[in-house]
Amino acid sequence: DIQMTQSPSSLSASVGDRVTITCQASQDISNYLNWYQQKPGKAPKLLIYDASNLETGVPSRFSGSGSGTDFTFTISSLQPEDIATYYCQQYDNLPLVYTFGQGTKLEIK
Amino acid sequence: QVQLVQSGAEVKKPGASVKVSCKASGYTFTSYGISWVRQAPGQGLEWMGWISAYNGNTNYAQKLQGRVTMTTDTSTSTAYMELRSLRSDDTAVYYCARVPRFGGRFDYWGQGTLVTVSS
Repeated sequence: DIQMTQSPSSLSASVGDRVTITCQASQDISNYLNWYQQKPGKAPKLLIYDASNLETGVPSRFSGSGSGTDFTFTISSLQPEDIATYYCQQYDNLPLVYTFGQGTKLEIK
Repeated sequence: QVQLVQSGAEVKKPGASVKVSCKASGYTFTSYGISWVRQAPGQGLEWMGWISAYNGNTNYAQKLQGRVTMTTDTSTSTAYMELRSLRSDDTAVYYCARVPRFGGRFDYWGQGTLVTVSS
């Protein structure tokens, strides 16, 4: 099974800061990597799919990059409404299997 | 608009079974799959499995093999997840999510169903 290592597990930043979260796969997953935002008591929300594609309606301050085993999620200028937990998710098509990272809890400093 | 509406909260005793429903609307049900994801209190997201609404093919997380069954009813555009032999560590919020037919992103999610397992 492919393991996903997401870091950091928690992060404190100020409004306007650039925030970066990383996810590392235990083997090459090409670009089969998605990023989600989850606010307390709510379902997760898709932000980035296939490593670097911004989901429709998601603000452009969110971005993703990477391929193979190393991936990065960035918020270019942190806003108060971005306080949430962020998860990476990898998938394999044959058979269809998904794995989530451990999550990164983002707080305002 | 695409919506996934799940059934209400459940309280079950250890050893019992639970069946959670996820009713889809706003898209062609059989053109997508449904995945199920759970989240224990204060914990991260755990993928449980996937079902194709097109042909009923399934793939379950290895950890849950033998205890979980996912089905669909195309006449009502509803997906179901049944979990048997419940234990206290099955207490979680259970989510359904829409998945493109051949895999990929979870672009729409249900609101979640809290299942509490307690004696």
